[in-house]
Amino acid sequence: TQLLEQSPQFLSIQEGENLTVYCNSSSVFSSLQWYRQEPGEGPVLLVTVVTGGEVKKLKRLTFQFGDARKDSSLHITAAQPGDTGLYLCAGAYGYGNKLVFGAGTILRVKS
Amino acid sequence: GAGVSQSPSNKVTEKGKDVELRCDPISGHTALYWYRQSLGQGLEFLIYFQGNSAPDKSGLPSDRFSAERTGGSVSTLTIQRTQQEDSAVYLCASSSQPESATEAFFGQGTRLTVV
Repeated sequence: TQLLEQSPQFLSIQEGENLTVYCNSSSVFSSLQWYRQEPGEGPVLLVTVVTGGEVKKLKRLTFQFGDARKDSSLHITAAQPGDTGLYLCAGAYGYGNKLVFGAGTILRVKS
Repeated sequence: GAGVSQSPSNKVTEKGKDVELRCDPISGHTALYWYRQSLGQGLEFLIYFQGNSAPDKSGLPSDRFSAERTGGSVSTLTIQRTQQEDSAVYLCASSSQPESATEAFFGQGTRLTVV
């Protein structure tokens, strides 16, 4: 079973549309990170959220950490083809803040 | 180089053979992770080294898998008697201060194919 559940698993949208990706768990995390991965590459960090209720914005991307630090969302406004990729959430928990990942959301933005 | 380096980048092996995958983390990073990723899927946690603490091996799928980290730097992941279901991309990552929620930097991975 996945500690972190991501949804949707796959999203295909037109350029200019908005979208939201969710990351949920029954566990509490000390922090949560979002990564983006392109084919043939390792994941690259987009953002880290630490405080419950925290909202961070990165250009057209808005990240939110739930009040209870069990869930997070990634919202993209006016998606562009360059946003295409695999989006992964990762939670740090337990002794040593081990990072565990969700199953990922494959995003395809069509022009 | 300044990033995480993994070798080989690709490995094709026959079923039943042993393989060793290598990871050179960023110098000074105390934390090192190994993950496994199937095509288009998320990252499956395998093992975590943090400083001088005993490694967290809770993600290793079977006793055919083992890993070590020598001198707090280079790590090798060994898979014995490989099976076709071991085929995947094996990713290594390192971070400097995991207790501070710092970024994990990833290598480009080793694509393992068992035939």
